[in-house]
Amino acid sequence: KNQVEQSPQSLIILEGKNCTLQCNYTVSPFSNLRWYKQDTGRGPVSLTIMTFSENTKSNGRYTATLDADTKQSSLHITASQLSDSASYICVVSGSNDYKLSFGAGTTVTVRA
Amino acid sequence: SAVISQKPSRDICQRGTSLTIQCQVDSQVTMMFWYRQQPGQSLTLIATANQGSEATYESGFVIDKFPISRPNLTFSTLTVSNMSPEDSSIYLCSVDGTGVAGNTIYFGEGSWLTVV
Repeated sequence: KNQVEQSPQSLIILEGKNCTLQCNYTVSPFSNLRWYKQDTGRGPVSLTIMTFSENTKSNGRYTATLDADTKQSSLHITASQLSDSASYICVVSGSNDYKLSFGAGTTVTVRA
Repeated sequence: SAVISQKPSRDICQRGTSLTIQCQVDSQVTMMFWYRQQPGQSLTLIATANQGSEATYESGFVIDKFPISRPNLTFSTLTVSNMSPEDSSIYLCSVDGTGVAGNTIYFGEGSWLTVV
């Protein structure tokens, strides 16, 4: 069964600090990996998408990395802001079909 | 990009009743999906809404409980039938414009249902 595991489950950081979220997956064959930000009570919003050949991709203060050999990805948030408080979800697609495998998410709380 | 509008955004429903959620996309899309996100959980795929034919349901979800319509390439509805408190969730509509690997998948804002 394809699995996506995220860590930590939650974290609290001070405004202006950096943090890194982890995602490990077993989806095979692999097609792409996406990071989404989901504010409370809202739908997920895409941050980055990476295919097999991409190692890193940035979107403003968000930088995602991918190691397809070890099946690991990370999302780095730089100079965190209060608006970064949200759940961050790692989503992996296999190349056999369109179905997505979702991680449980990491809840980030940024405090002033 | 695709802009997705879902209605209602939230509702409080009586046990035993049914509610229909609408999903409108601002452009024609090939694939439309319905997800459920229970409190504190990640997203679970309910079904793929197929234009002009019956939806394809995932294991654990049946048409009698979650009937889906998709009359055209920009609109779909999901009905949650005979609701119980266990159906309290966020229901999300999602679209994939081309179905090509790497294409961004967009989500609606969600419909937050509370069953009392």
